[in-house]
Order: sequence, then C-alpha cells, then structure tokens
Amino acid sequence: EADIYQTPRYLVIGTGKKITLECSQTMGHDKMYWYQQDPGMELHLIHYSYGVNSTEKGDLSSESTVSRIRTEHFPLTLESARPSHTSQYLCASRTRYEQYFGPGTRLTVT
Amino acid sequence: TQLLEQSPQFLSIQEGENLTVYCNSSSVFSSLQWYRQEPGEGPVLLVTVVTGGEVKKLKRLTFQFGDARKDSSLHITAAQPGDTGLYLCAGATTSGTYKYIFGTGTRLKVLA
Repeated sequence: EADIYQTPRYLVIGTGKKITLECSQTMGHDKMYWYQQDPGMELHLIHYSYGVNSTEKGDLSSESTVSRIRTEHFPLTLESARPSHTSQYLCASRTRYEQYFGPGTRLTVT
Repeated sequence: TQLLEQSPQFLSIQEGENLTVYCNSSSVFSSLQWYRQEPGEGPVLLVTVVTGGEVKKLKRLTFQFGDARKDSSLHITAAQPGDTGLYLCAGATTSGTYKYIFGTGTRLKVLA
C-alpha cells in the first residue's frame, strides 16, 4: 500500500482564482509526477520531478506550475483558474519499477 | 512520440466469462505496468512486468509482457462483478526521462 496523499479531494472554484493542489508522499521517492485525466480517459503527464529543485514539463501543455522544495512535497499551482482546467488531477511517485498514485483532486472551475 | 494502444476500448461481459485486454506499441519499454481505476479514484497498481516474455499471475488475472517488450496482455479468468473498472497499461520509457506512457484504457463491465 502506497502512502501518497492529495488535498483537497474535491474543489469547486470560480474563474480567475489562484489554487494550489497539494501532494505528499512518505516513501522517500525522488521521482514524482502530476497527471491530468478526464473521466474514463487516459492519463496525460503535465509535470514531473527527479528530485528536490528539479521540475520538468510533461507531454501535455499545461498552464500550471509546480515546485519541489522538499522530497515529500510536490504542489501544483494554477495562477488563474479557467473552466478549461476542469478535470481530475492525479499525483504519483515511483520506485525504479513501480509508480503509485494518490486518490486525485477533482477540480471544477465555474 | 511513443503511443500505447489498448483494445478493446469497452467490454461488457457476463459473470464467469474470460477476457483478454491488449496493450500494443511500436516502441520498446523498460517495464510495463497494469492498473485498475475506479471512478473518482487514482489508479491502483496491479502488476509490473520487466523482462521480455515474463508472465505474472495475480489470482484470476494473468499478465504477459511481449518478448520484444513492446506489448502486453491481461487475461481475466471467470470474471466477477468486482472486476468492473477502467484498466490502464503504462510503459516506462527507455529514454532516461523516467516517464510513463499510458494506454488509452479499457472500460470493463462485468454483469452479474
């Protein structure tokens, strides 16, 4: 069982607001990831990190930003939320061969 | 761009039937994972296969990694309603970027 946490689980917010989605893991994994997923669809990588002070953009263009100041913490920030950002956001961390996911944050921007 | 095609996209079967889900790519992966996901939740890791030709069993689920490490299959024997969910395969890239490429997903519904 993986120990990776995401908060909030659900968020409804108005257009133009700044939001931060939290992700924490207690496994000491260096590599962490953020994915975006529409219901029942495939996952798209939006950001990843190899370790502290390392962040990279993923394959799907995103207006979000991330930071990695501590190994266990990998928050994602949207400076100005828009309805097109409505989606499920999944955080993950990995060992050499296994990737573990958090429960996700379901974001709705009105 | 590496792609992973899953088939079928949707599958609705009766309890007790067998099924196979396929995950195919033209690219080589260093390892491949299978996940099951429930609505509103994160994917849960079922298995990781690493070696070409590897076969792993998890109760009624059998996973196989292709010899060339480009494809994989998931076979479920005597499906049960509890097997219902979205099945995703994910391949770890060999480019040194530590990224995973996710398949398009197979939505399975097992009817009682």
